[in-house]
Amino acid sequence: DQQVKQNSPSLSVQEGRISILNCDYTNSMFDYFLWYKKYPAEGPTFLISISSIKDKNEDGRFTVFLNKSAKHLSLHIVPSQPGDSAVYFCAASPNFGNEKLTFGTGTRLTIIP
Amino acid sequence: GAGVSQSPSNKVTEKGKDVELRCDPISGHTALYWYRQSLGQGLEFLIYFQGNSAPDKSGLPSDRFSAERTGGSVSTLTIQRTQQEDSAVYLCASSFGTYNEQFFGPGTRLTVL
Repeated sequence: DQQVKQNSPSLSVQEGRISILNCDYTNSMFDYFLWYKKYPAEGPTFLISISSIKDKNEDGRFTVFLNKSAKHLSLHIVPSQPGDSAVYFCAASPNFGNEKLTFGTGTRLTIIP
Repeated sequence: GAGVSQSPSNKVTEKGKDVELRCDPISGHTALYWYRQSLGQGLEFLIYFQGNSAPDKSGLPSDRFSAERTGGSVSTLTIQRTQQEDSAVYLCASSFGTYNEQFFGPGTRLTVL
């Protein structure tokens, strides 16, 4: 069973617009959430995280929102740039730790120039 | 400094053969993780090493899978009697302690014919 779900396998966004990537989870023990970005032939790289004591975390163009009651988080990228084209993975872990991450299946974001 | 490296980058083997996949973590990182990504799936946790503690093997899918970490550094993931369902990208990550960002290697793409 997929405990972390990314229901959109792909997303295309015009350059300069906002990209919104969504993630849902089912395990109520998860309390730390991360987004990773992956380019082809490379390993995922950490982008931004949020713990369940917050509902928003911002880092430059990237903002992650967490809705615990809905078990939903989203990553907003604004403005979107061509270099943002990649696969984005949502991940979660329990106990405010960073171990044994459970990943979603990823969303391929394409930024159209 | 060098990132996490993995070898080989690609491995094609015949069903029933054993394979060894290698991971060189970032120097000084005490935690090391193995994940795999099968086609259409998210990254799946396999095993986790932290310092000198006994590894967390809870994600290993069968007893054909084993891993060791020699001298607290290099790790080898061994798959015995490979099956076609073992075909996946195997990713290694390391971190400085449990509660810190995981840095991923580029992965080994394993194809079992």
